[in-house]
Amino acid sequence: DVKVTQSSRYLVKRTGEKVFLECVQDMDHENMFWYRQDPGLGLRLIYFSYDVKMKEKGDIPEGYSVSREKKERFSLILESASTNQTSMYLCASLGGYNEQFFGPGTRLTVL
Amino acid sequence: GEDVEQSLFLSVREGDSSVINCTYTDSSSTYLYWYKQEPGAGLQLLTYIFSNMDMKQDQRLTVLLNKKDKHLSLRIADTQTGDSAIYFCAESIGSGGYQKVTFGTGTKLQVIP
Repeated sequence: DVKVTQSSRYLVKRTGEKVFLECVQDMDHENMFWYRQDPGLGLRLIYFSYDVKMKEKGDIPEGYSVSREKKERFSLILESASTNQTSMYLCASLGGYNEQFFGPGTRLTVL
Repeated sequence: GEDVEQSLFLSVREGDSSVINCTYTDSSSTYLYWYKQEPGAGLQLLTYIFSNMDMKQDQRLTVLLNKKDKHLSLRIADTQTGDSAIYFCAESIGSGGYQKVTFGTGTKLQVIP
């Protein structure tokens, strides 16, 4: 079974803090994604990566950056967290039929 | 641009069939998917259908695709309380390499015992 894990299920940070969200997949997938999920808005793509050290902006990249130093690991970075970044963050990797395998999510609260 | 729409809420009685509907706008979609999200969890792929198919059945799940109307549906037979969740429709667009996936806003299915 494909496994996608995320470093934290719940995270509470203060405004202005730097936040790292880690995602690891064990299926040697090339493509990985970060989404945020908010009520009534569905999933919105923040960034994706199609290879090590490669990244592309999604629909809402402002306020975020990413890092992909190893194939299995894709990190989302909030350089200076703000309250409007309070959300559920979902990581996914891409299988052979373009199906996405999701991690359990990280619920981030920024105070 | 691409857009995927779903109704927000559906309530059914246990044992009845549920039908969750989805419309999409991009006719060049290659795959369409249904995902399930249980409370506090990530999304889990339920099933997918290739765009040249009309129907796919997998146990209690039936997916119908009407390409002319750009309409996708998921039917769950004999709905159980464990089926209560949010269901997301998604489409994959593009050819070769990475294909962009667009998700709907999700339909919350409530199963009444």
